[in-house]
Amino acid sequence: GQNIDQPTEMTATEGAIVQINCTYQTSGFNGLFWYQQHAGEAPTFLSYNVLDGLEEKGRFSSFLSRSKGYSYLLLKELQMKDSASYLCAVGGYSTLTFGKGTMLLVSP
Amino acid sequence: GAVVSQHPSWVICKSGTSVKIECRSLDFQATTMFWYRQFPKQSLMLMATSNEGSKATYEQGVEKDKFLINHASLTLSTLTVTSAHPEDSSFYICSARDATSGDTDTQYFGPGTRLTVL
Repeated sequence: GQNIDQPTEMTATEGAIVQINCTYQTSGFNGLFWYQQHAGEAPTFLSYNVLDGLEEKGRFSSFLSRSKGYSYLLLKELQMKDSASYLCAVGGYSTLTFGKGTMLLVSP
Repeated sequence: GAVVSQHPSWVICKSGTSVKIECRSLDFQATTMFWYRQFPKQSLMLMATSNEGSKATYEQGVEKDKFLINHASLTLSTLTVTSAHPEDSSFYICSARDATSGDTDTQYFGPGTRLTVL
């Protein structure tokens, strides 16, 4: 089975940097995904890591360590619109298992 | 990027009626589509995996006779909630994988359908 842990809530100020951690224990691993979900909307794909290391995409970066079962999403130059839930998801053989999400609140 | 649509975006129905939700991949072919359900302040829970031309694979605890899935073409999957009850009220989200893309693991999500059963 899959067990995915991430913090429930985080707060940060506009312009700052925030790191959202995700740890996982899985019986199979086929990549780690990060999605952004605004309230009442469907998730939006942010990043995908299958090899160890850092993937950078604009203001968003994602890191993976397979040996540690650990990933983080790094958000730079925070904007108010970044207030959302960030979901860590582990890919299995053909499906995704989602963590419960981290609600990020960005304040002025 | 890949676009997935869902229809309707919201629906209110009486208890005991059936509701059909459509999921379409607009600019790519999706041999596999997924149906998720999300209750308020909870994570997405996979209900079933829908493969074009074959029977859907349901997750443990999901009643296949209640949640009918049909994936008749490479761009369309439907979820029918039969004899809906208030406890079925939820946010239903579909996703699809682009079969022709080199990145075949990424799922692209539809906008979701909010179902309210009175």
